[in-house]
Amino acid sequence: EAGVAQSPRYKIIEKRQSVAFWCNPISGHATLYWYQQILGQGPKLLIQFQNNGVVDDSQLPKDRFSAERLKGVDSTLKIQPAKLEDSAVYLCASLAGGSYNEQFFGPGTRLTVL
Amino acid sequence: AQSVAQPEDQVNVAEGNPLTVKCTYSVSGNPYLFWYVQYPNRGLQFLLKYITGDNLVKGSYGFEAEFNKSQTSFHLKKPSALVSDSALYFCAVRDTLGNEKLTFGTGTRLTIIP
Repeated sequence: EAGVAQSPRYKIIEKRQSVAFWCNPISGHATLYWYQQILGQGPKLLIQFQNNGVVDDSQLPKDRFSAERLKGVDSTLKIQPAKLEDSAVYLCASLAGGSYNEQFFGPGTRLTVL
Repeated sequence: AQSVAQPEDQVNVAEGNPLTVKCTYSVSGNPYLFWYVQYPNRGLQFLLKYITGDNLVKGSYGFEAEFNKSQTSFHLKKPSALVSDSALYFCAVRDTLGNEKLTFGTGTRLTIIP
């Protein structure tokens, strides 16, 4: 089966600009996650979707970050405006079934904010 | 709140020797425990998990992990290290009580020396 797809793989922007990342999960996976991985740290959950509904967005900086999964399949994460501290790898993951199952991760988008 | 600690940022092992990557956790209820590996410019790949049952869990690429409830540990092990095992390893935990969020450790960089 195809894995989790993400694009772009790399993005360089200047601070205060906007950026969007796209994720297409594994077919049939109802749960989708966006993580932020800062260099030297483990992934930190930003938002979790179950189909097209938000389950957990408690760690999403809502003043600048937004995410949607309108049709319950692919998802977009947006940052507007970007700050220097947003430089990180943004990982998308999907899950089939219960949370005792493993998440499948995409290759990530490496964002550099100058 | 749930948490994971990986006390070693870096582990160096000679090729052919046994390796151990340490992980301890803290949860309110019972844990679901996971190990993931990350190669350069790649997403996280699932290695193994503990949900319930046998304390010794076997996973991909010859890795195994031992769940120790009294020590709240879930150390990753392999009897004979390969150079190709060199990567970044993350331990993660999910509490069976409360929300379904997966919390990751800060990662351990494993280097296998030829």
